Amino acid sequence: GAGVSQSPSNKVTEKGKDVELRCDPISGHTALYWYRQRLGQGLEFLIYFQGNSAPDKSGLPSDRFSAERTGESVSTLTIQRTQQEDSAVYLCASSFRLAAYEQYFGPGTRLTVT
Amino acid sequence: SQKIEQNSEALNIQEGKTATLTCNYTNYSPAYLQWYRQDPGRGPVFLLLIRENEKEKRKERLKVTFDTTLKQSLFHITASQPADSATYLCALPYGSSNTGKLIFGQGTTLQVKP
Repeated sequence: GAGVSQSPSNKVTEKGKDVELRCDPISGHTALYWYRQRLGQGLEFLIYFQGNSAPDKSGLPSDRFSAERTGESVSTLTIQRTQQEDSAVYLCASSFRLAAYEQYFGPGTRLTVT
Repeated sequence: SQKIEQNSEALNIQEGKTATLTCNYTNYSPAYLQWYRQDPGRGPVFLLLIRENEKEKRKERLKVTFDTTLKQSLFHITASQPADSATYLCALPYGSSNTGKLIFGQGTTLQVKP
């Protein structure tokens, strides 16, 4: 079956512009996660969604970052007024449910803010 | 807060040898620990999960150990092959095991030379 897909694969934007990143999780996976990976660094947790529960937004670095998820399907991560330090690969993952289950990652969106 | 330490220096070994990668954590002992493989330009791929009550887990040529006294996990690849060359990430849950939120180490890059 299809894995986690993300779009776009690459995004170059000017400082101050808003960007929207999309994630399509694996069908049937109730949990969805967003991570950020800066060059040469580990993954940094941003936010997760589990079913219809309120999302855990504790990893979002500032109020310029927000995310939504429609039911148990598509999620979008929005970054407003982008800054150069937002340049990174944004990875989405899904899992069958929370906790103790492996996460399946998409290929990521490489965001470059010029 | 929990911190994960993985050797940031690349590990270079000869084909056929056993590669051993280390993951140390500094704070509370997690309920489980995961290992992922990441190839350049791609999202991480889940390899193994080991729970706190398991000392060792194996999957084909992979072996993971978990020592809660030493606060350390070792990841072994036996009979290594050039195709095993990648970055290997260790991941732990934040606090409670029920959230699914993971903290990732920055990874260790393995190079297997033919």
